[in-house]
Amino acid sequence: ETGVTQTPRHLVMGMTNKKSLKCEQHLGHNAMYWYKQSAKKPLELMFVYSLEERVENNSVPSRFSPECPNSSHLFLHLHTLQPEDSALYLCASSQERISYEQYFGPGTRLTVT
Amino acid sequence: AQTVTQSQPEMSVQEAETVTLSCTYDTSESDYYLFWYKQPPSRQMILVIRQEAYKQQNATENRFSVNFQKAAKSFSLKISDSQLGDAAMYFCAYRSTYTGTASKLTFGTGTRLQVTL
Repeated sequence: ETGVTQTPRHLVMGMTNKKSLKCEQHLGHNAMYWYKQSAKKPLELMFVYSLEERVENNSVPSRFSPECPNSSHLFLHLHTLQPEDSALYLCASSQERISYEQYFGPGTRLTVT
Repeated sequence: AQTVTQSQPEMSVQEAETVTLSCTYDTSESDYYLFWYKQPPSRQMILVIRQEAYKQQNATENRFSVNFQKAAKSFSLKISDSQLGDAAMYFCAYRSTYTGTASKLTFGTGTRLQVTL
């Protein structure tokens, strides 16, 4: 499945580093999402963008900063993370008012040391 | 707020047999969507099947079918003729009727399905 791609696939960073996760969708969708998946917890919706405008921020700490420069690209900028931020970060996209299904990328496995 | 409950953390099925994964949800909405997603060890979340709440007919996709009971707020997934490739985490998800122009999915905690020979 190459409809939604994410880079990097794995990332190890220290608590003082700054890094960015990238997501790109090739499906012509108009909404994009960031999720956090931690062990033994339901997927947590972090951010939602529709038509490049952020429509939801689910009480996410400010050390996570999203950016959506266009409808195909979504970034998650990370800085001064904590070890509890280690998780799988999933990007998804959907075509609203047509089908509503969300299509997911393969995820970025983030480890904060 | 909507909640989704998957009460079976793990299930096991023999190859070629049938297994049913359960999901219940809580909502005050009358119009919504429900989904089952599969997440194999590769971690890619894959859509298995969707159901619109206004449709009485249960959705079917090849070996996958659902039993949607709107009054009971139940949405179970039946996998027939199970195959080794069906081994994965299965997540039930509810799509809220969103006021904006994007979806909001609420996921259950997942059911890990093992397929044995």
